[in-house]
Amino acid sequence: AQTVTQSQPEMSVQEAETVTLSCTYDTSENNYYLFWYKQPPSRQMILVIRQEAYKQQNATENRFSVNFQKAAKSFSLKISDSQLGDTAMYFCAFMKPLLLSGNTGKLIFGQGTTLQVKP
Amino acid sequence: DTEVTQTPKHLVMGMTNKKSLKCEQHMGHRAMYWYKQKAKKPPELMFVYSYEKLSINESVPSRFSPECPNSSLLNLHLHALQPEDSALYLCASSQILRDRDTNQPQHFGDGTRLSIL
Repeated sequence: AQTVTQSQPEMSVQEAETVTLSCTYDTSENNYYLFWYKQPPSRQMILVIRQEAYKQQNATENRFSVNFQKAAKSFSLKISDSQLGDTAMYFCAFMKPLLLSGNTGKLIFGQGTTLQVKP
Repeated sequence: DTEVTQTPKHLVMGMTNKKSLKCEQHMGHRAMYWYKQKAKKPPELMFVYSYEKLSINESVPSRFSPECPNSSLLNLHLHALQPEDSALYLCASSQILRDRDTNQPQHFGDGTRLSIL
């Protein structure tokens, strides 16, 4: 069974600085998908970034980037130039490929990291 | 603005009441999901519908009854709930691409905050 571990329950960062959230996972699959979701106090889960395991290049989305280390099963999220609006709970999630998971993908979430951006 | 709309945003009900949560999306997604989320915890998958058919039931108690009347709508019927069922209930949807082995990300609604008295 797949597991996802986020070892930092809470983190804080000063506005405009850079912060890295860690995520490790355990799987015997060779191909899979990894996601970072953000859940601000407004409670909607928002997709931040997505990585496909067969792609070696790390995904980036504006100020958000990942460091994907497949051999180490590590998938950390770097937030550059932190903004007050980045304050949220961040979830790392794993999904098996479509053909292995059936018609739909089941997301396996980590326990989350609460990030506080301070002015 | 979210593309997955959930109603109501808040619901308070007694343990003997019957109520329904509604979820709607118009993105053409053919997979829809119900999650339960407790405070400061990750979402827990409850049900998955694929092409309007129930494909996953994560051993959810029968007091929760899902329904997918068409490709845009997903309901969760509630009856005789317990206080421990108080939580945020999230709906999500995603595309299904049968011709490629890719998984499309799930889009979530704002959730319904449910309180059981």
